[in-house]
Parts: sequence; C-alpha cells; structure tokens
Amino acid sequence: ELKVEQNPLFLSMQEGKNYTIYCNYSTTSDRLYWYRQDPGKSLESLFVLLSNGAVKQEGRLMASLDTKARLSTLHITAAVHDLSATYFCAVGIWETSGSRLTFGEGTQLTVNP
Amino acid sequence: ETGVTQTPRHLVMGMTNKKSLKCEQHLGHNAMYWYKQSAKKPLELMFVYSLEERVENNSVPSRFSPECPNSSHLFLHLHTLQPEDSALYLCASSLTTGIATIYFGEGSWLTVV
Repeated sequence: ELKVEQNPLFLSMQEGKNYTIYCNYSTTSDRLYWYRQDPGKSLESLFVLLSNGAVKQEGRLMASLDTKARLSTLHITAAVHDLSATYFCAVGIWETSGSRLTFGEGTQLTVNP
Repeated sequence: ETGVTQTPRHLVMGMTNKKSLKCEQHLGHNAMYWYKQSAKKPLELMFVYSLEERVENNSVPSRFSPECPNSSHLFLHLHTLQPEDSALYLCASSLTTGIATIYFGEGSWLTVV
C-alpha cells in the first residue's frame, strides 16, 4: 500500500524567513504533485514533477524530486502572508485511464507579519 | 474559476434522503474523479471514470453511486448515508495523456444529520 507522509503538519513562520516542507512516499511512483488549498476552497495545482532530479520554481516556491530517496521538497523563500494555506503533496500512479493520487495529510502553513 | 464546477456547494441531508452531487468540466478532459476530504483523514480517491467508463471503485460503500453520462459530466448519487459520510467531496478531471495535471472543483460540503 502506498503511503505518503508530509512533515511538518503545522508550520508557523515569520515573513521573510525560509523553510522547507518534506514529502516522503513508500513506493515507486510516476509523478509527484504539489497542491495548495485555502480555507473553504478547492485544490490549486502548483507543480507536477515527473522525473528524478526535477526542480520547478514559481515565485517564492520551489519544488524538487528525488525518486531514489522517494522524497520531494517544497521550499519557501522569503515567506509572505499570502502564502498562508495548506499544502498537499500527492503521489500519482499513472495508468492509461488516468492518474490515481495518494495524498499526504497536508501542511498547514501560517505566515505571520 | 478552475474549469471544474460542482453543485451544490453545500448540502445537508438526512440519513434516509436521496440526493446527488453534480460535476461539470469545461477543459476537454477525458478522465474524471471523485475524491473525499474528511476532517481527520487525507484526501481519498473514490472513483475514476475514463472515457465515461468506470475504471476504479476504491472500496467505496454502495450507498455512493457514481454516474458519468458523458465526458463532461459526473454525478455522485447519495442514499441512506451515515453521519460519518459528512465531508467535502471533490470532483477532479484530467487528460489521460501527457503531463496530465489534475484539476479540482471547489467541492461540495456534505453534512449528514
């Protein structure tokens, strides 16, 4: 059974600081997704990582994937309040009929002024 | 606007009621999904439809009955639910080829009383 573990589950940080969210998974996977969810809202796709060593950046967020270690990281640079949200990683098992995602528990990020 | 629209956004139903959740995607995708988000558990995949055919039923109780009449619409029919079924139900869609980012709807908040 595929398991996905995120840590930390709760993260409170000050504006301007850097931090990293970790996502470990238990079995080989085709792809790794990162999503953002604001309270009462849907999941917003941030990154899709497809191969070992993949790195993607968007604004203050950078995601990376190490398939050998079964680890993905989401690095936050110089956090701002607008980044406060819950961040999920999800491991995708790809089949011709579509992708099945197994999600981590989510990391609730609060950025304080 | 995510391209995936769910109705109703909020639903309260009794345990003996029958109701349906509706999902419509405007992205030209050919795979659609139902996920369940409970307060104390990670997001769980319930059903996968590819080209209008159900290709996965993730051990979901029969009181949940999906229907996919065409590639743009997906329903989740609900009957004789239990209070523990109260959750956020998220519809998603994707292509079955390429990078296949999965896009989520805003969700339907279900409360079973």
